[in-house]
Amino acid sequence: DAMVIQNPRYQVTQFGKPVTLSCSQTLNHNVMYWYQQKSSQAPKLLFHYYDKDFNNEADTPDNFQSRRPNTSFCFLDIRSPGLGDAAMYLCATSSLGQGQLAKNIQYFGAGTRLSVL
Amino acid sequence: AQRVTQPEKLLSVFKGAPVELKCNYSYSGSPELFWYVQYSRQRLQLLLRHISRESIKGFTADLNKGETSFHLKKPFAQEEDSAMYYCALDTGGGNKLTFGTGTQLKVEL
Repeated sequence: DAMVIQNPRYQVTQFGKPVTLSCSQTLNHNVMYWYQQKSSQAPKLLFHYYDKDFNNEADTPDNFQSRRPNTSFCFLDIRSPGLGDAAMYLCATSSLGQGQLAKNIQYFGAGTRLSVL
Repeated sequence: AQRVTQPEKLLSVFKGAPVELKCNYSYSGSPELFWYVQYSRQRLQLLLRHISRESIKGFTADLNKGETSFHLKKPFAQEEDSAMYYCALDTGGGNKLTFGTGTQLKVEL
């Protein structure tokens, strides 16, 4: 059973048209992450939520925003997608502060592949 | 700044041959290192972590602080080991990973 679910699997948007990617989890983890992965590159952390606390990476463009309305859901909003934003977007979760063995293990969704036309 | 380097984009070995996937890191603090794996059409998942000192699916990895390496090894490759392998570094705080660019392992019959 999928524990981190990303919808949709494939998203096509137009240049400059806002788009939202969603992620939900059934693990009750307190941390949720968004990564961007371009072809043949490493997953790159955009930001993460530790409970309700939002943590942005210094080099994440302002064009990328996120919302976490509750423990289970987290959204990635791209306000004005450019051609360079076409990528795979990965959501992950982890459970900090719940035991040493659980610490740091991240559970990933299957990803949403975004195309920008 | 922290960095993870995986020098090989593709590693091709024959079934039964030893496997070594290289990973080097750059970090001034005390590192925690992981190997994540992505099998075909599956999601990225944890393979092993250095603090656990365990062998998973026959794979082991030893943290060598002197050489700043965390190479992944398996004595006898199996066909089902074919996958994309990512080395990752947790730079402290327990909640952020820096990934390498990955090595595609292909095990041929």
